[in-house]
Amino acid sequence: DAGITQSPRHKVTETGTPVTLRCHQTENHRYMYWYRQDPGHGLRLIHYSYGVKDTDKGEVSDGYSVSRSKTEDFLLTLESATSSQTSVYFCAISDIRYNEQFFGPGTRLTVL
Amino acid sequence: GEDVEQSLFLSVREGDSSVINCTYTDSSSTYLYWYKQEPGAGLQLLTYIFSNMDMKQDQRLTVLLNKKDKHLSLRIADTQTGDSAIYFCAESAHRDDKIIFGKGTRLHILP
Repeated sequence: DAGITQSPRHKVTETGTPVTLRCHQTENHRYMYWYRQDPGHGLRLIHYSYGVKDTDKGEVSDGYSVSRSKTEDFLLTLESATSSQTSVYFCAISDIRYNEQFFGPGTRLTVL
Repeated sequence: GEDVEQSLFLSVREGDSSVINCTYTDSSSTYLYWYKQEPGAGLQLLTYIFSNMDMKQDQRLTVLLNKKDKHLSLRIADTQTGDSAIYFCAESAHRDDKIIFGKGTRLHILP
């Protein structure tokens, strides 16, 4: 298995609070991605990174920001969490943009 | 826009073959993927096929591509309880293009 960890694995928070999810890789892959998985929607891309400090938006980026200060870490921040952001969040990595992505175990976030 | 459609559920008896179907709309799709998601885990890439191929076989897995009908299928021979999972079909137009995922097919194995 590709070396990808996500933390925390589970989080419950309240509406309006900031939340940061962390993705850590040991594979030295250039590209990193954040997806959310919701029933009826499958996987949707939030943001991705193509290098340190280089990020771009995906299809559902509103309400989310990301940062990548090191190759191995990609952070997803919800500045002010809303109930619509209750979801399972997956990080993925690849060494070619978008291609053959390897996924982390996921973070289940509940916003009350 | 691009879309990937697959049925949501499939029940198969243990030992039988499972066939999971997928259709896509983007005629320029070049890479077609199958991912497997076991309960509580992330997605695992099972296999992928290029659009210039019509079949790919890997042990118990057979992928068939009908490019004319934009139809992709995954056949699992001798289905086992460990095959119980959600299977996602996905496509991308180019090697470095974004991947569009279907909503996933939940495969349930009957004893």
